Amino acid sequence: NAGVMQNPRHLVRRRGQEARLRCSPMKGHSHVYWYRQLPEEGLKFMVYLQKENIIDESGMPKERFSAEFPKEGPSILRIQQVVRGDSAAYFCASSSGQGNTGELFFGEGSRLTVL
Amino acid sequence: AQSVTQPDIHITVSEGASLELRCNYSYGATPYLFWYVQSPGQGLQLLLKYFSGDTLVQGIKGFEAEFKRSQSSFNLRKPSVHWSDAAEYFCAVGAPGWYGGSQGNLIFGKGTKLSVKP
Repeated sequence: NAGVMQNPRHLVRRRGQEARLRCSPMKGHSHVYWYRQLPEEGLKFMVYLQKENIIDESGMPKERFSAEFPKEGPSILRIQQVVRGDSAAYFCASSSGQGNTGELFFGEGSRLTVL
Repeated sequence: AQSVTQPDIHITVSEGASLELRCNYSYGATPYLFWYVQSPGQGLQLLLKYFSGDTLVQGIKGFEAEFKRSQSSFNLRKPSVHWSDAAEYFCAVGAPGWYGGSQGNLIFGKGTKLSVKP
């Protein structure tokens, strides 16, 4: 039973390029969450999605960042025109959303480095 | 605004010694509280959670935590630390609308890094 799968694990981009991070939730989970972890910081919530719907994007920067969770395929976090301050670890988590016990299952993260 | 404070950035304990990691929260209603552990280069694993009921919660790997409403605390403890416990530990609180809404907006503390001496 595979856990939450994220790829790539490591991504290097130059300023101005685009970064795409993918997340496949655990089997049977239809709720996906993205968090960002800056160096020496805790995780900060970015966005919560269900299939084809953004439920809560209160933590997403207003510009350059977008997320989707299509009917088929993984969830994608897209960062356009990256800047050095986007360098961070991006974690995806999933839950079943039914009789929610509150547990989120996290992936191993995608570490973005912007040169 | 809701917040979580972990006062200790880094703690070192000897193997076999007891451990207590502190967590204080600021929250306007009944909190839903969590402890996660993160090993280097890895994702987060849930150690334990508190929603209601018994204020002493047992988790995996021999960890426990006690919810104290009067002190707004949810400290993590382990009676005897093993070298494999070296990791970073995060306390988190469920944001408003968390329970029953399947919302995943957890507010995390900045973490406490645990080192274990042989």
